[in-house]
Amino acid sequence: AQSVTQLGSHVSVSEGALVLLRCNYSSSVPPYLFWYVQYPNQGLQLLLKYTSAATLVKGINGFEAEFKKSETSFHLTKPSAHMSDAAEYFCAVSAGGSYIPTFGRGTSLIVHP
Amino acid sequence: NAGVTQTPKFQVLKTGQSMTLQCAQDMNHNSMYWYRQDPGMGLRLIYYSASEGTTDKGEVPNGYNVSRLNKREFSLRLESAAPSQTSVYFCASRGARSLGTDTQYFGPGTRLTVL
Repeated sequence: AQSVTQLGSHVSVSEGALVLLRCNYSSSVPPYLFWYVQYPNQGLQLLLKYTSAATLVKGINGFEAEFKKSETSFHLTKPSAHMSDAAEYFCAVSAGGSYIPTFGRGTSLIVHP
Repeated sequence: NAGVTQTPKFQVLKTGQSMTLQCAQDMNHNSMYWYRQDPGMGLRLIYYSASEGTTDKGEVPNGYNVSRLNKREFSLRLESAAPSQTSVYFCASRGARSLGTDTQYFGPGTRLTVL
């Protein structure tokens, strides 16, 4: 069984501030973990993924995430928010790299000028 | 490459009407998926096709049918639309891990309203 919980349906930051979006997962086998971004009226786009290699994963647009097995977490961070980062972010888990990822409910990132 | 394409982009139906949502991918991926997205619910899997010729139910299959027409195309059919099926529908495809293409790629979505 696999599941993912995203803490906070909305996160609000000022431009230039640290972005931290939280994701905790549950998986009975080693997981593959993903972060996707969805801009308004568009499909989902992969930001980064963890597939059992390095625990710190770097993605596009300056985002990165760290896999912490002891905390069953895969939080997404970016040192300095930009207005263009405003979007919906989804965390997903795929147990043992199965065909079927499970998605979290999403976190809407709001960036204030 | 166009990636994953979906048609139509928008559709309004009346209760009881039927329609088919079309999806095609040009990345030679084996696996294809249909999701629905509702506010605060994330993405929920309706059906998936692990490979050409196979289809399986996901989390919310009731009221839907699918056809994997060939490797490229995977359609979703609503036989008798209901207001509860008002949603945004996304198609996705995924390649083989052995080829390093096991990331899901999503289409732009179909926004469906059932009155």
